[in-house]
Amino acid sequence: SQTIHQWPATLVQPVGSPLSLECTVEGTSNPNLYWYRQAAGRGLQLLFYSVGIGQISSEVPQNLSASRPQDRQFILSSKKLLLSDSGFYLCAIGRYSGANVLTFGAGSRLTVL
Amino acid sequence: DAKTTQPPSMDCAEGRAANLPCNHSTISGNEYVYWYRQIHSQGPQYIIHGLKNNETNEMASLIITEDRKSSTLILPHATLRDTAVYYCIVRVELVTGTASKLTFGTGTRLQVTL
Repeated sequence: SQTIHQWPATLVQPVGSPLSLECTVEGTSNPNLYWYRQAAGRGLQLLFYSVGIGQISSEVPQNLSASRPQDRQFILSSKKLLLSDSGFYLCAIGRYSGANVLTFGAGSRLTVL
Repeated sequence: DAKTTQPPSMDCAEGRAANLPCNHSTISGNEYVYWYRQIHSQGPQYIIHGLKNNETNEMASLIITEDRKSSTLILPHATLRDTAVYYCIVRVELVTGTASKLTFGTGTRLQVTL
């Protein structure tokens, strides 16, 4: 079965500091991968998705970036964090065709001070 | 994608059936209805999906009206652990090489009480 590992689970970072959130998956190959963000009291916002190694699509302009260096690794980064980057970051894995079934990881909760 | 409308909140007594409605009057013939839920501080969890026929799995039942303009998610015997935000999403089937890009709206906050 598919397993998603996200780390760190929680972190507190000062404004202007860099960020790296990592997501690795097991139990599947060539998955579609997604990064979502949920700000406090808000809905989920799709940030990035990837349909293959090195293929990244961005949904909204922001100071975040994503990379997929390996088939089952998806990284979310920032060079300088803003207060508005605070939120709950979720990595998800999805099928490459057929039903739109996404499996979400446990998430990384980021607080920018 | 078709827009969906859900009530912002609902209450249900534990042990009773929870019936969560969703309107999707602009749904296209090739769009499926998906339901996810999000328990507090967790990622969303897929529940069920369907096109025309009613569907049932170990978690819930999905009833889609004949004109497909609305649907109801039924949790037959709600428990406290079913307290969550429930999202109704309408989406075409995924084509190979593309991404799901699901949009989660505000959903329905279901509170199951003793």
